[in-house]
Amino acid sequence: QKEVEQNSGPLSVPEGAIASLNCTYSDRGSQSFFWYRQYSGKSPELIMFIYSNGDKEDGRFTAQLNKASQYVSLLIRDSQPSDSATYLCAVIPQTGANNLFFGTGTRLTVIP
Amino acid sequence: DAMVIQNPRYQVTQFGKPVTLSCSQTLNHNVMYWYQQKSSQAPKLLFHYYDKDFNNEADTPDNFQSRRPNTSFCFLDIRSPGLGDAAMYLCATRRAGSSYEQYFGPGTRLTVT
Repeated sequence: QKEVEQNSGPLSVPEGAIASLNCTYSDRGSQSFFWYRQYSGKSPELIMFIYSNGDKEDGRFTAQLNKASQYVSLLIRDSQPSDSATYLCAVIPQTGANNLFFGTGTRLTVIP
Repeated sequence: DAMVIQNPRYQVTQFGKPVTLSCSQTLNHNVMYWYQQKSSQAPKLLFHYYDKDFNNEADTPDNFQSRRPNTSFCFLDIRSPGLGDAAMYLCATRRAGSSYEQYFGPGTRLTVT
């Protein structure tokens, strides 16, 4: 069964703080992991992808992957009100046609 | 700028009246996807094209059809929309062989009256 689990939130953090978003997945053989940001009424926007264990940093965003524990996380440093959105975790499981399986997203609110 | 374009952005149709949504891309990606997303839910894959090869998800209703006349364009046809088909319809593309990242268009919000 291919499941991606996220806490729906809402997660509220003050401006300037670190926001930590977590995602777990059920297919142990999954190889590719993605974080999308989705503003209300808009389409998902790819912000990070990670394929290897460890950390990957891009500006204020850091993706962390732990395959042994089957979780992937997204850290947002120096959170801004413009970061307020729903963050979707997506995974490509080992079997299949390289299609994405999405979680239902975590709603993040950054309080000014 | 290379991009994924969806038209129209908002579509209102009557119950049972066929509707067609379109997607075009200038990224020259060979894989195109159609997703349905309802409020507070994850995007649900309806089908995808790998070049001209059509792949239908097992639980996609027969009411939904798709066409891809060329690399750049893909259409979603809903033959007899029901109230339950009201949703955001998302088109996404991917360049197979070099990456797994999918890039989404802005979406079409479908309302069924």
